[in-house]
Amino acid sequence: DTEVTQTPKHLVMGMTNKKSLKCEQHMGHRAMYWYKQKAKKPPELMFVYSYEKLSINESVPSRFSPECPNSSLLNLHLHALQPEDSALYLCASSQLGQGPSYEQYFGPGTRLTVT
Amino acid sequence: QKEVEQNSGPLSVPEGAIASLNCTYSDRGSQSFFWYRQYSGKSPELIMFIYSNGDKEDGRFTAQLNKASQYVSLLIRDSQPSDSATYLCAYGGGRRALTFGSGTRLQVQP
Repeated sequence: DTEVTQTPKHLVMGMTNKKSLKCEQHMGHRAMYWYKQKAKKPPELMFVYSYEKLSINESVPSRFSPECPNSSLLNLHLHALQPEDSALYLCASSQLGQGPSYEQYFGPGTRLTVT
Repeated sequence: QKEVEQNSGPLSVPEGAIASLNCTYSDRGSQSFFWYRQYSGKSPELIMFIYSNGDKEDGRFTAQLNKASQYVSLLIRDSQPSDSATYLCAYGGGRRALTFGSGTRLQVQP
């Protein structure tokens, strides 16, 4: 089973709102990722968690705050977003090990619209 | 120079033909290569990965890797209209993160 789930599927929020995106996997993967994807562009890496610790932050603005409560869950807390933050937010997970980077499996994404 | 180069397309092939998608990359330290298919409005779906030089076949898909030339390709045999999508090439290195190309849009004409 290579399923990653994300909730909600769609989210509309105002610039003063606080909301959270949730991601879950039960594949035993110890790396989890957040990506942002704008229309007709490839996914753009935001954060990487390895063994529940933040290992990569791609200079993402502080209005995006990631959290990894346990090895199966990943959250992205949103606060004071801008309209240009509207995008498809993708969660992914992969194994970790000594070898080459392992294949990442994406969730269905959350379509976020900031008004 | 972009880290991963793909022709944006669209690449148009007739139904039943072989579609050939190509990707070049600049990081000689890259160890793993991935092809994702993405339908409009959906998330990327992993269809092939390859770690070693040579060919890897899975059903109608064949991935080819040539590390000396820094080139990876995806062949889709017997193309179907349902194969029409954007195909993203990506590589991974020691950073535990994938670097994506901008994608090639494939159109399979019935």
